Amino acid sequence: GAGVSQTPSNKVTEKGKYVELRCDPISGHTALYWYRQSLGQGPEFLIYFQGTGAADDSGLPNDRFFAVRPEGSVSTLKIQRTERGDSAMYLCASSLMGEGETQYFGPGTRLLVL
Amino acid sequence: SQQGEEDPQALSIQEGENATMNCSYKTSINNLQWYRQNSGRGLVHLILIRSNEREKHSGRLRVTLDTSKKSSSLLITASRAADTASYFCATDARQGGKLIFGQGTELSVKP
Repeated sequence: GAGVSQTPSNKVTEKGKYVELRCDPISGHTALYWYRQSLGQGPEFLIYFQGTGAADDSGLPNDRFFAVRPEGSVSTLKIQRTERGDSAMYLCASSLMGEGETQYFGPGTRLLVL
Repeated sequence: SQQGEEDPQALSIQEGENATMNCSYKTSINNLQWYRQNSGRGLVHLILIRSNEREKHSGRLRVTLDTSKKSSSLLITASRAADTASYFCATDARQGGKLIFGQGTELSVKP
């Protein structure tokens, strides 16, 4: 597609459930990033993929969060045993090669944990 | 943690006026990027300025970068109601490409 796409656009779940958020980057972009944005704050880095591998996962808050990018294109962010504090906007971005380049963001997935 | 701060946190102006937003950061950078975010939506890339550049223009946008002061400014000239949004600066702090964002400036342009 022309831009980064994310699905679903909204996700409502109950505390303790498992959720998956999907990101489809711009075709040909090797670098993919996940960020989390709480209300009234700037986005905060979660994880960075270069190709299929996670080059930097230092932003993942705990081991309930995991992300994959098995074929170097689509990525899935997985959250186990969701907590109310996980409620936020989850943003995905991609860039052509990685460091030093413009990152293009998707529309985000708004997650609400009840 | 956030890289730096944006100033002001909120700005309200009349259509046709200029809007200036400032951003400060803490570490050495490859580049600094400005983004716009409409309420509840994703981020739209506005402009990227590299560490060896001092000023850059794009349409009604003018960005400056002062690496000695670790600060940047975004000027929007002849503002329009459609410019109403939150504006974020983000630094590529030479850590693999991850961006570190400020808390943003909420701009309101009244018609």
